[in-house]
Amino acid sequence: GNSVTQMEGPVTLSEEAFLTINCTYTATGYPSLFWYVQYPGEGLQLLLKATKADDKGSNKGFEATYRKETTSFHLEKGSVQVSDSAVYFCALSGNTGTASKLTFGTGTRLQVML
Amino acid sequence: EAEVAQSPRYKITEKSQAVAFWCDPISGHATLYWYRQILGQGPELLVQFQDESVVDDSQLPKDRFSAERLKGVDSTLKIQPAELGDSAMYLCASRKQPGLATYEQYFGPGTRLTVT
Repeated sequence: GNSVTQMEGPVTLSEEAFLTINCTYTATGYPSLFWYVQYPGEGLQLLLKATKADDKGSNKGFEATYRKETTSFHLEKGSVQVSDSAVYFCALSGNTGTASKLTFGTGTRLQVML
Repeated sequence: EAEVAQSPRYKITEKSQAVAFWCDPISGHATLYWYRQILGQGPELLVQFQDESVVDDSQLPKDRFSAERLKGVDSTLKIQPAELGDSAMYLCASRKQPGLATYEQYFGPGTRLTVT
């Protein structure tokens, strides 16, 4: 079955530091890949997505590239802010029917300090 | 901007009681999902609807959980009786249709359930 593995947290960084959160996946076929962010007490918000190999998703300074050869989708940001403190989830899904459900990693908590 | 609505936001109930959660997806979204997120973990699918039909409930504990989407619009998830291990965040999500051009699931704010 499908699975997502992401680095354990918490990740603690100083403001303006470079961020990488690793994510690798196992899936059949050609899944779509996502990063979701969850702020305390809230639901999930889509941060970015990529639907085919070599696609780069980007949003709010965050980027991730769909690497089929390494089955990875690492999240990066060049300069983090305190407001980026949240839990980040890597996820995958198929495209149709029951395969469209999302399979999530366990989440990585990011803490950004002044 | 349209949003997925869920209520209540918080629910505290005693073990063995019944509890129900409600979800109203974005208008026009045919696919609706219920996920359960245990503290410190990623969400896991409980049930998926396409319009009013259940298409995946393989992870739903059917001895105590039930879900319905009678008119293919809003949905209710029920637990009876609740157990301590059901304490979690229950998230509802919707998706326009299971087509190649519409991958994105939109999540509601969730219902946090505490069973005492």
